Amino acid sequence: EAQVTQNPRYLITVTGKKLTVTCSQNMNHEYMSWYRQDPGLGLRQIYYSMNVEVTDKGDVPEGYKVSRKEKRNFPLILESPSPNQTSLYFCASTRRLGNTEAFFGQGTRLTVV
Amino acid sequence: AQKITQTQPGMFVQEKEAVTLDCTYDTSDPSYGLFWYKQPSSGEMIFLIYQGSYDQQNATEGRYSLNFQKARKSANLVISASQLGDSAMYFCAMSRQGGSEKLVFGKGTKLTVNP
Repeated sequence: EAQVTQNPRYLITVTGKKLTVTCSQNMNHEYMSWYRQDPGLGLRQIYYSMNVEVTDKGDVPEGYKVSRKEKRNFPLILESPSPNQTSLYFCASTRRLGNTEAFFGQGTRLTVV
Repeated sequence: AQKITQTQPGMFVQEKEAVTLDCTYDTSDPSYGLFWYKQPSSGEMIFLIYQGSYDQQNATEGRYSLNFQKARKSANLVISASQLGDSAMYFCAMSRQGGSEKLVFGKGTKLTVNP
């Protein structure tokens, strides 16, 4: 089954404690992205990757890091989380050619206290 | 910069009736894609329909159709014969310069289907 898998689904952490949200896709897609969803703001792109070792900033990259060492994995790293990073996070993947749907993971609800 | 505007924070519809969710967009790119996603209360993002900027015909997928009016820069979603399971948030999104690796989303419309 084609899917994007995020872990964990729920996370509560404290300010300043480094965390990683993992994302893995099994569709051999070149492109992967991270979005955050906040009430009244829709989804906003944090970072994206067009291939292994190729990443670029989205619209709201501050406070986040990503890496793409393997094609299937695209982890999101928060080096020093702050309460304003409390949000619902989505990983998405899509193939390179053509305008096609982005496949989304199930979402990770992060709370930073 | 690209922008998506959804002006209806909430919409109500009776079961079995049709409903239109509005979406307008702004871009200077000649090539772009327009998407609609559904987000039920469980939180996942479900792809509904896609329209390319050069597509001559409006896209349809089952009960979903996209009313694409390029000159007006609008891409409204029409849901026919609404069902209770259609109650959800609906997001309009646009891809930049072709390819959905970079999507710009609207703020969403919450649809409630009444029995």
